[in-house]
Amino acid sequence: DAKTTQPPSMDCAEGRAANLPCNHSTISGNEYVYWYRQIHSQGPQYIIHGLKNNETNEMASLIITEDRKSSTLILPHATLRDTAVYYCIANNAGNMLTFGGGTRLMVKP
Amino acid sequence: SAVISQKPSRDICQRGTSLTIQCQVDSQVTMMFWYRQQPGQSLTLIATANQGSEATYESGFVIDKFPISRPNLTFSTLTVSNMSPEDSSIYLCSVAQGNTEAFFGQGTRLTVV
Repeated sequence: DAKTTQPPSMDCAEGRAANLPCNHSTISGNEYVYWYRQIHSQGPQYIIHGLKNNETNEMASLIITEDRKSSTLILPHATLRDTAVYYCIANNAGNMLTFGGGTRLMVKP
Repeated sequence: SAVISQKPSRDICQRGTSLTIQCQVDSQVTMMFWYRQQPGQSLTLIATANQGSEATYESGFVIDKFPISRPNLTFSTLTVSNMSPEDSSIYLCSVAQGNTEAFFGQGTRLTVV
């Protein structure tokens, strides 16, 4: 699995967009970019994933650069309930996930 | 998405004893995994539970310490054997089907005293 690099922590004001960056410069052609989050004391929750194209679902948007070496997860209107650790993972689909340190997002009122 | 039920959700155990954690999925899945999350840390993969054969363990994890069963495509168990306080962690079951994303149970919070 390609290694990913994320900032250890970020703050975001409630109601504003939260933009969480991730570097995955060694990603291979068949590896997807997955985003999960872990709210305190719960199991990781799947958010979104993509291969090359930008993706959007009811939770978030995923922007992947054209060279696929980095991506950004966007929470369009962050709420206090979005406070969590966000993990970016580069992986083949259907395989076990290798978790890095993630980004601890704190949404503040 | 798959619904995963883990039991127990938490337990406090005496050192030297063993605890078996169950993972039940509401549908048949190809892949089942077990993770450990030590306090304040990220998740670490323990092993892949293989249906009908021995689990595949990651470096640093051995079958004698973490025996795993997977009798069918919807159920797996992880046993933490001969526990010590260093085994205090959250243990998580994860499943994936084909090329879909992986889903996680809510975890088992284990405290060894």
